[in-house]
Amino acid sequence: DGGITQSPKYLFRKEGQNVTLSCEQNLNHDAMYWYRQDPGQGLRLIYYSQIVNDFQKGDIAEGYSVSREKKESFPLTVTSAQKNPTAFYLCASREGPTGELFFGEGSRLTVL
Amino acid sequence: QKEVEQDPGPLSVPEGAIVSLNCTYSNSAFQYFMWYRQYSRKGPELLMYTYSSGNKEDGRFTAQVDKSSKYISLFIRDSQPSDSATYLCAMSLYGNKLVFGAGTILRVKS
Repeated sequence: DGGITQSPKYLFRKEGQNVTLSCEQNLNHDAMYWYRQDPGQGLRLIYYSQIVNDFQKGDIAEGYSVSREKKESFPLTVTSAQKNPTAFYLCASREGPTGELFFGEGSRLTVL
Repeated sequence: QKEVEQDPGPLSVPEGAIVSLNCTYSNSAFQYFMWYRQYSRKGPELLMYTYSSGNKEDGRFTAQVDKSSKYISLFIRDSQPSDSATYLCAMSLYGNKLVFGAGTILRVKS
């Protein structure tokens, strides 16, 4: 079955540590996205990539980094510079410029 | 002012009621309008997709877009407890990133 796989589903981190969230898709979509979701704030765009080896900052990129070395993979690193990293993180991909977004099941990061 | 406004609720209705969910937006150039449903601790899934103005119906769900008023709606007929979820509106220009509303929490009581 085609879809988007995010891992891990739950992650705990100590302050000062970097963590990397995995996102893999087998939908053959060019565009991939990372969103952060906090209660009452909807989805906020962190980074997006429309093609391999290229990515752009979204609305809240500070404290995050990404790479896009393969079409299927778009990992997100939450760095120690992110002041409030506890959140639900969603990865998505999109077919073409007008297609729907397909989402993964999300990764919940908690900073202890 | 946010680009997309959506009442966060929660909205509580009895089973069988007709539910109306709404979003307003400020960018009159938006052309593509979507409604996503998100269950707790899950990723959003697409419910309805509409291009430009008009109505679209799919089973118990109807999506309406009124571009003149910059207002979109999702109607759910004969609501069921399984419809309890967060509903997110989203919209975009051609080739651009989607802009999401904050989401409305819906609770359907049996």
